[in-house]
Amino acid sequence: AQKVTQAQTEISVVEKEDVTLDCVYETRDTTYYLFWYKQPPSGELVFLIRRNSFDEQNEISGRYSWNFQKSTSSFNFTITASQVVDSAVYFCALWMDSSYKLIFGSGTRLLVRP
Amino acid sequence: EAEVAQSPRYKITEKSQAVAFWCDPISGHATLYWYRQILGQGPELLVQFQDESVVDDSQLPKDRFSAERLKGVDSTLKIQPAELGDSAMYLCASSPYYTNTGELFFGEGSRLTVL
Repeated sequence: AQKVTQAQTEISVVEKEDVTLDCVYETRDTTYYLFWYKQPPSGELVFLIRRNSFDEQNEISGRYSWNFQKSTSSFNFTITASQVVDSAVYFCALWMDSSYKLIFGSGTRLLVRP
Repeated sequence: EAEVAQSPRYKITEKSQAVAFWCDPISGHATLYWYRQILGQGPELLVQFQDESVVDDSQLPKDRFSAERLKGVDSTLKIQPAELGDSAMYLCASSPYYTNTGELFFGEGSRLTVL
């Protein structure tokens, strides 16, 4: 079975706090890709990052960082020094080469308060 | 910057009426997807096209939903008759080719409310 679980429905933090969004996935494929997308109030899904299943190196992009651990099937996303503009719904997604499908988690709504 | 265009942005309709959504993908993108996103949930794939051919419509409720991409460019998603449970955001996405390892480009979506 293929599945993406985002257990945190909603997170609220005060500006400048660090916040981590959790993502756990299930797949039997050996080749797959993991994604994070951001969905602001406008509704458009904005691509943030893609990682393939063979690359467990963590990645940092400005205030964003991602921690990929195959041993725990997790791909967590951390925002450092959060800002009000980070308020959005964030989706973790799984792409499998066996089906060419992108499966999304249920999303985590992040609210950053001034 | 090239975008995926969708219309209408908002649609309110009554139960049992017909409704249609239109999507124009990024120029040159061969693969087109329609997703449905119910409030509070993640997007769910309804149908996937490669050029004008349907690749996957296993999650499309075919008794009331239909989708077409006649010339392999823009696409229309139709619901007839609409039901209350169809209220959702309908998202269109495109990618340059079928096996593009999941990097999809999304439009802003069409929000449907069925009364």
